[in-house]
Amino acid sequence: RKEVEQDPGPFNVPEGATVAFNCTYSNSASQSFFWYRQDCRKEPKLLMSVYSSGNEDGRFTAQLNRASQYISLLIRDSKLSDSATYLCVGGGGATNKLIFGTGTLLAVQP
Amino acid sequence: NAGVTQTPKFRVLKTGQSMTLLCAQDMNHEYMYWYRQDPGMGLRLIHYSVGEGTTAKGEVPDGYNVSRLKKQNFLLGLESAAPSQTSVYFCATLDTPYEQYFGPGTRLTVT
Repeated sequence: RKEVEQDPGPFNVPEGATVAFNCTYSNSASQSFFWYRQDCRKEPKLLMSVYSSGNEDGRFTAQLNRASQYISLLIRDSKLSDSATYLCVGGGGATNKLIFGTGTLLAVQP
Repeated sequence: NAGVTQTPKFRVLKTGQSMTLLCAQDMNHEYMYWYRQDPGMGLRLIHYSVGEGTTAKGEVPDGYNVSRLKKQNFLLGLESAAPSQTSVYFCATLDTPYEQYFGPGTRLTVT
């Protein structure tokens, strides 16, 4: 079983739709969680950190449920420019190693 | 600031050839990482370094060696390339708390 698992998609949604991505992790010792965004043939970039209390950045909301070992990302009012692969990431510890999920592909259609 | 740069951007090798990928950073970050990314596999950690002169194995270290002689540079070596090493290689540095900055990647094909 992969340490971080996510639905690979693709998620095809119309502009303006709300879309939710889910992710589960198996290592209960993981301390920190993130969502990264990766555009086609580009490097991953940090989208947002994920906290148990939930955090919001504009149209993006991330949530962590430690009891269920579950992470989510909600995108409201989808834009064409949101089309990308979204990577769920967990990790931390003394070596600060991050474990990446395989990514969920989002395609926002006009 | 250039951030994280990788050299070369593309390379085609024949089986058995060797090469070195260079990662350079100008952000003075202690931690540096080498990943490979393959379709359906996500990013997998090859080797990492927690500071100048240190290196450690990641999830998929076999067939690769690394060196961190200077803080700003992290080198990844392939001594005898194999087709299974065809991949996109990303270098990353770490800024606390936990934001990794990635280089643009090196696309390597081994024939």
